[in-house]
Amino acid sequence: QLQLQESGPGLVKPSETLSLTCTVSGGSISSSSYYWGWIRQPPGRGLEWIGNIYYSGSTYYNPSLKSRVTISVDTSKNQFSLKLSSVTAAETAVYYCARQGGSPSFFDSWGQGTLVTVSS
Amino acid sequence: QSALTQPASVSGSPGQSITISCTGTSSDVGSYNLVSWYQQHPGKAPKLMIYEGNKRPSGVSNRFSGSKSGNTASLTISGLQAEDEADYYCCSYAGSSTWVFGGGTKLTVL
Repeated sequence: QLQLQESGPGLVKPSETLSLTCTVSGGSISSSSYYWGWIRQPPGRGLEWIGNIYYSGSTYYNPSLKSRVTISVDTSKNQFSLKLSSVTAAETAVYYCARQGGSPSFFDSWGQGTLVTVSS
Repeated sequence: QSALTQPASVSGSPGQSITISCTGTSSDVGSYNLVSWYQQHPGKAPKLMIYEGNKRPSGVSNRFSGSKSGNTASLTISGLQAEDEADYYCCSYAGSSTWVFGGGTKLTVL
């Protein structure tokens, strides 16, 4: 059974960099069939796609966040990571990592999500 | 890249059918058969319900179905049950390896 688990600081100061890691268990992040993504959800609001990565390291980002986002993969640890720089309070959200299947097409497996609060 | 447009809320009685719309543009929903739908209960992660417009993952009830016409995709839930009460989100491929979600629809089962 595939499981994804987000980890990282729950509190980040404004203007600093948010860093999260997603650990994948029960499956290999190096599978050629999947991409791996980050999605966020501010409290009481909708979902926003942040970006995806393929095991080879190819990355794809939301154009509105592209200048501040870096997603990386560590196949030896079966993990992928998110860095978002210069965060503001408006980026307080639950951050989800997810597997994207279908070459890609759909997000079929999600982590439980982690709340990151941006506040001084 | 703007969020897809969904109604803020819909409601229905047990046993009835409801439809949730998801309106995009010719650059996303209208151009690709890559719309997926997600169900989210409070405090939980989203769950894939429909993908590639009208396909159901294993384990998802056949009461859930999807369709598309032009720039608008739709999710229909038939035989409403209390457990269907949740938020629903659509997602579409938007070209150039990017993805866009809808704003979400709160389904209330009366």
